[in-house]
Amino acid sequence: KQEVTQIPAALSVPEGENLVLNCSFTDSAIYNLQWFRQDPGKGLTSLLLIQSSQREQTSGRLNASLDKSSGRSTLYIAASQPGDSATYLCAVKTGGFKTIFGAGTRLFVKA
Amino acid sequence: DTAVSQTPKYLVTQMGNDKSIKCEQNLGHDTMYWYKQDSKKFLKIMFSYNNKELIINETVPNRFSPKSPDKAHLNLHINSLELGDSAVYFCASSPPRGEVTGELFFGEGSRLTVL
Repeated sequence: KQEVTQIPAALSVPEGENLVLNCSFTDSAIYNLQWFRQDPGKGLTSLLLIQSSQREQTSGRLNASLDKSSGRSTLYIAASQPGDSATYLCAVKTGGFKTIFGAGTRLFVKA
Repeated sequence: DTAVSQTPKYLVTQMGNDKSIKCEQNLGHDTMYWYKQDSKKFLKIMFSYNNKELIINETVPNRFSPKSPDKAHLNLHINSLELGDSAVYFCASSPPRGEVTGELFFGEGSRLTVL
């Protein structure tokens, strides 16, 4: 049974700092891995999607990596800004139609 | 143009009532989902339909009944509401299997409060 864990659960950093959010999963037989952002009271916004055959994806200040063999993904955020404050969710799509979510990392970037 | 839209956005009701949440997607996707996000913000899949066919049915009380009249719509009906049903319910859709991304697209959520 696939399980997804995100560390840390919460993170507070000063503006401008580079940071890394971690995601681990127990079953390496995945279809893809997707990082989302969720603002309070809002829906989920897709940030990056990495297919199982890919190693990383980049979008602006965000870079996500995937290491299937070790069951790990990282989301790197460069030069963090107060507007980056949100909950970041990692989600793994299995060979079926299921997408399993981690519990998220709550990020607070202080101005 | 909203890609995945849910109504209502907020729903407050009494225990024992029956309520429905509707979802529509205009992305041309074949697969739609219902997720529940509890008070601890954990997202769990409830149901998934592919081309109007139920393909995922997690351990959910049978008071919850999804209905997909066509592949662009997936509704969720809840009978005899209980306090523990209070949560945010998210609808999502994804492209057909075999297409490139399999990316999930989410609606804004429907916050259900049972009093």
